[in-house]
Amino acid sequence: EDQVTQSPEALRLQEGESSSLNCSYTVSGLRGLFWYRQDPGKGPEFLFTLYSAGEEKEKERLKATLTKKESFLHITAPKPEDSATYLCAVQAARGSQGNLIFGKGTKLSVKP
Amino acid sequence: GAVVSQHPSWVICKSGTSVKIECRSLDFQATTMFWYRQFPKQSLMLMATSNEGSKATYEQGVEKDKFLINHASLTLSTLTVTSAHPEDSSFYICSAREGGTNQPQHFGDGTRLSIL
Repeated sequence: EDQVTQSPEALRLQEGESSSLNCSYTVSGLRGLFWYRQDPGKGPEFLFTLYSAGEEKEKERLKATLTKKESFLHITAPKPEDSATYLCAVQAARGSQGNLIFGKGTKLSVKP
Repeated sequence: GAVVSQHPSWVICKSGTSVKIECRSLDFQATTMFWYRQFPKQSLMLMATSNEGSKATYEQGVEKDKFLINHASLTLSTLTVTSAHPEDSSFYICSAREGGTNQPQHFGDGTRLSIL
């Protein structure tokens, strides 16, 4: 069964304290792995897509990496405005419609 | 770019009424639209997938007669919750995708549905 597990469930950081969020997945053939940011009461905002092991993508203080079993979202010198829930989703190769399977997310809180 | 608008953002209604939620892609044509349901501290759960002009594909356990989906154009999909009951109260989110299956989905801001 295709599955996505994110850890930790919640993470509290001080402003400037770098850290990483983990997304472990089991899927029968990975078509793509997606990272989203979700603010309270809002829909997810697209951040990155990773397609193959070894791939990395960066956007401001965020950097996403991918291996054959997991993905990491590295946050460098976070600011309070980075506080949000970060969602990871995978797309299995076998799905004809490209459906996403989401993890439960990591709630990040950055204190000034 | 890639803006998805969802309306209304909040609905409160009596048990037994039907509620329609609209999802529009504002600056792109959405070949596929998706409808999700999200419970507090839980994953987004896919309810159905729809392609313009075709019948929606519902996930296992989702009642297609309860959750009516219409995708009449490349920029608009609607979800109608028929004869809503308190257990239907949830956060409903739509997404839209332009192009192939490996393209990202772009999400609306969701609709908070509360059935009294």
